[in-house]
Amino acid sequence: GAGVSQSPSNKVTEKGKDVELRCDPISGHTALYWYRQRLGQGLEFLIYFQGNSAPDKSGLPSDRFSAERTGESVSTLTIQRTQQEDSAVYLCASSLRYQETQYFGPGTRLLVL
Amino acid sequence: AQSVSQHNHHVILSEAASLELGCNYSYGGTVNLFWYVQYPGQHLQLLLKYFSGDPLVKGIKGFEAEFIKSKFSFNLRKPSVQWSDTAEYFCAVNDDRGSTLGRLYFGRGTQLTVWP
Repeated sequence: GAGVSQSPSNKVTEKGKDVELRCDPISGHTALYWYRQRLGQGLEFLIYFQGNSAPDKSGLPSDRFSAERTGESVSTLTIQRTQQEDSAVYLCASSLRYQETQYFGPGTRLLVL
Repeated sequence: AQSVSQHNHHVILSEAASLELGCNYSYGGTVNLFWYVQYPGQHLQLLLKYFSGDPLVKGIKGFEAEFIKSKFSFNLRKPSVQWSDTAEYFCAVNDDRGSTLGRLYFGRGTQLTVWP
């Protein structure tokens, strides 16, 4: 398929461990976004990439969160020293260019015990 | 910051009833508006979008939405719902402010349950 893919689908980790979440955007999409959705809440913006630069990191909730992107392809969201409040579904989206329609992946469900 | 309000958290309808889901946003500048849908077990899909032009936009599966700038609203409608419309519906907005170009602001979602 040509959609956005994310891995893993589910991740259970212990408090204090680091986790890496991966996103493969639609081929040719220059913009890539990370969001998270905590239980009972709407989607919360985390970070946005245009190419491999991140013009807007303002949504990252703490310095434990970081993300990088290789060229105009794969992105990795890393959460260090996970906390229980990090439990959420982490969603990745891509768009052809910024401000155009964003297409979402299936998400990674993270549970921190 | 932009905020997006969806006033109905859970809507329950019978098949063939009409649907209107409310969405209001706060920023008064240029906006792009979206409705996304998440069917059970599936990921978010675009239902319809408004960028410019005719404020009445039509999307997939018979849905439509009307942008009323003076009311900061983008309500979703469908004249006759089906059981298969059972899903969670999210309103989203992005705007023209340089510092936050690209990001979508989402409402908290409305769970629609349609009884056959």
